[in-house]
Amino acid sequence: QKEVEQNSGPLSVPEGAIASLNCTYSDRGSQSFFWYRQYSGKSPELIMFIYSNGDKEDGRFTAQLNKASQYVSLLIRDSQPSDSATYLCAALNDYKLSFGAGTTVTVRA
Amino acid sequence: IAGITQAPTSQILAAGRRMTLRCTQDMRHNAMYWYRQDLGLGLRLIHYSNTAGTTGKGEVPDGYSVSRANTDDFPLTLASAVPSQTSVYFCASSANPGVRDTQYFGPGTRLTVL
Repeated sequence: QKEVEQNSGPLSVPEGAIASLNCTYSDRGSQSFFWYRQYSGKSPELIMFIYSNGDKEDGRFTAQLNKASQYVSLLIRDSQPSDSATYLCAALNDYKLSFGAGTTVTVRA
Repeated sequence: IAGITQAPTSQILAAGRRMTLRCTQDMRHNAMYWYRQDLGLGLRLIHYSNTAGTTGKGEVPDGYSVSRANTDDFPLTLASAVPSQTSVYFCASSANPGVRDTQYFGPGTRLTVL
């Protein structure tokens, strides 16, 4: 079992809708959590990080962390075609990142 | 500022050959990392270095070696390439390894071993 699991997708949402991405992690020692976006053929780019329980908002993106449930999520509001990409969830433990396999999101115009 | 550069961009290699993937960063980051990305498996850590002169093994280190002679460069060497090492390789760096550290990725090297 991978340390970080993501909903497998692919996820297809209409333009303007909310895309909801979920991630669970197995190691309770994980301290920080990151969401990266990866366009096809490109490298991952950081979009959000969260360290504390609760919500963190940055523009159209909201990250949610529940350490008791070992659950991290990312909401993308007002989804745009440019949001079509693979989203990678990562957990930091012992100064090393463990990544989920990613969820591919397609935003339909 | 270039950030992180990797070379080559892509490479086709015969099995059994030696290959070094190059990674250079100009951000004066202390920590550097090598990952491989395979379809359905996500990014997996191969080796890392928390500071110049030190290295450590990640999740999938077998068949790979690294060195960190200075802050900027972190080459990854495949001593004798095998087809299972066909993958996309990403180098990353971060300012200082820690709880609130953020990793930034290079453009990647696509390696095919035949």
